[in-house]
Amino acid sequence: TQLLEQSPQFLSIQEGENLTVYCNSSSVFSSLQWYRQEPGEGPVLLVTVVTGGEVKKLKRLTFQFGDARKDSSLHITAAQPGDTGLYLCAGVWPKTSYDKVIFGPGTSLSVIP
Amino acid sequence: ETGVTQSPTHLIKTRGQQVTLRCSSQSGHNTVSWYQQALGQGPQFIFQYYREEENGRGNFPPRFSGLQFPNYSSELNVNALELDDSALYLCATQRAGGAKNIQYFGAGTRLSVL
Repeated sequence: TQLLEQSPQFLSIQEGENLTVYCNSSSVFSSLQWYRQEPGEGPVLLVTVVTGGEVKKLKRLTFQFGDARKDSSLHITAAQPGDTGLYLCAGVWPKTSYDKVIFGPGTSLSVIP
Repeated sequence: ETGVTQSPTHLIKTRGQQVTLRCSSQSGHNTVSWYQQALGQGPQFIFQYYREEENGRGNFPPRFSGLQFPNYSSELNVNALELDDSALYLCATQRAGGAKNIQYFGAGTRLSVL
């Protein structure tokens, strides 16, 4: 059974601070995705990382995939209130007829103005 | 705006009843997945349909069933509702020939079972 853990579960910070959230598993992923979900909405894909050690940047967000493809981190620089939301990581495992996507429990981020 | 529409947005049912949730997507999105998201949790995969056939299923009992229609819209049916079925139900579609595993989520249906 593939399981994903995320930490911290909750995070409340002041505008302008930096933060990092983590996603860990004992399983190896073919790829890993990060989503942001706002209240009353579905998750929105931010990035997909595929190669071990890969680093991707999306404005103030930096995503890193672990060398062993079992873990990932999301770093936000100078957080803004608009960054508030639930950050979900999702591991992708190829199956015979489809790719299984397993979500972690999420990190709930609140950025206070 | 993902172009994925779910209906209804909210629903209240009682234990033992049956419910049908609906999902429609943009033209050309021939794959649809359904997820259950309990409060404070990440989405849990229920099943996936590709060209009207179920091609993958998560760890959910048979009372969770689905359909995909020729226009690629989809339904999730849940029979014999239990209290633990209370959750946000999300559908996610993928574009035919699009980048692999790029899913577009709807805003969900919030189901409350009393």
